[in-house]
Amino acid sequence: DTEVTQTPKHLVMGMTNKKSLKCEQHMGHRAMYWYKQKAKKPPELMFVYSYEKLSINESVPSRFSPECPNSSLLNLHLHALQPEDSALYLCASSQVKRANTGELFFGEGSRLTVL
Amino acid sequence: DQQVKQNSPSLSVQEGRISILNCDYTNSMFDYFLWYKKYPAEGPTFLISISSIKDKNEDGRFTVFLNKSAKHLSLHIVPSQPGDSAVYFCAASAQGQNFVFGPGTRLSVLP
Repeated sequence: DTEVTQTPKHLVMGMTNKKSLKCEQHMGHRAMYWYKQKAKKPPELMFVYSYEKLSINESVPSRFSPECPNSSLLNLHLHALQPEDSALYLCASSQVKRANTGELFFGEGSRLTVL
Repeated sequence: DQQVKQNSPSLSVQEGRISILNCDYTNSMFDYFLWYKKYPAEGPTFLISISSIKDKNEDGRFTVFLNKSAKHLSLHIVPSQPGDSAVYFCAASAQGQNFVFGPGTRLSVLP
């Protein structure tokens, strides 16, 4: 199994809603990532979890709340978002060891629209 | 300030010819470089990588060249095929974490 699965694929929410994006991988990767990608822009790192602990938070607003309940799952909880938060949210995973190939395996993304 | 730059937003190449995609970086701590390919409505797919201890890595039709002194890498695709048409992102990392992506180059391979 070399897949990173993200659900839902599409999400439309109002600014007062609370929703969550989910990500799952069964490759034994112990590093998991959330990226945000706006149209015609590169993916921008939001959070990194390493061994289920938050290791990097790239100054993301608190209306985005990540959670890593176990080594296979990564969630992104959304609350009180703004229309400018509309984007493709990509989950990725990788091995953590320094000497490894280090490539990221990406999911297909969850396209979020905030009304 | 962008740490990873891809100065060509787009590139068109005839089928069968060579495609050369370029990438420059500014952070001398980067020790691992990757190329990703992205089709519309899909997540990026890992293509090929190179460690800073090497200057060339080849995988089938894809070859990545690294020039550390110039802080420059390039991806060569030969021969180019229509299915190679996609956006190509260069990415760099220090010690295998916190990958930084370039803005991407849209490659169109014309039949």
